[in-house]
Amino acid sequence: SQTIHQWPATLVQPVGSPLSLECTVEGTSNPNLYWYRQAAGRGLQLLFYSVGIGQISSEVPQNLSASRPQDRQFILSSKKLLLSDSGFYLCAWSGTGLNIQYFGAGTRLSVL
Amino acid sequence: AQSVAQPEDQVNVAEGNPLTVKCTYSVSGNPYLFWYVQYPNRGLQFLLKYITGDNLVKGSYGFEAEFNKSQTSFHLKKPSALVSDSALYFCAVRERSNDYKLSFGAGTTVTVRA
Repeated sequence: SQTIHQWPATLVQPVGSPLSLECTVEGTSNPNLYWYRQAAGRGLQLLFYSVGIGQISSEVPQNLSASRPQDRQFILSSKKLLLSDSGFYLCAWSGTGLNIQYFGAGTRLSVL
Repeated sequence: AQSVAQPEDQVNVAEGNPLTVKCTYSVSGNPYLFWYVQYPNRGLQFLLKYITGDNLVKGSYGFEAEFNKSQTSFHLKKPSALVSDSALYFCAVRERSNDYKLSFGAGTTVTVRA
């Protein structure tokens, strides 16, 4: 069966510091991968999605970037964090066809 | 463009009573519709989907949803709520011409009191 791993679970970073969040998927090949941000426990904002290695689509211009160095690895990065980058970050994957998205457990990021 | 509205921020019900969480959508053409549930500080869990066919869809944990094309709605229902159903529920939609992007509603917090 397929599983998705996200880490770390929580992260506290100072303003201006770099960020790297990692997401990996097991048990499937060539998944579609997604990064979302959820603010204040409410709606989800799609940040990036990827349909293959090195292919990244950005949905919202901002202080973040994403990379997909391997088929089942998706990384969310920032060179300098802002206070407004605080939130709950969720990684998801989907297969072909119906493309139901399955989510990781999330990373709680606090920028202080 | 695709979008979802969940008109209720909160729904409160007593255990054993029926539970309904409302969702309306807007798409070009026919939609794919989904419900997810989120427990505190966790990721979203997939509950059920509507693709085509029977308008009443059954999913995990006793939940079901009814697709109504004329009202562009996809309300989530459970005949008898449990305290453990207390969580945040999200409706999501995807146009059939769009392979990747889901649009989520703002979420509805369900509280089931004992």
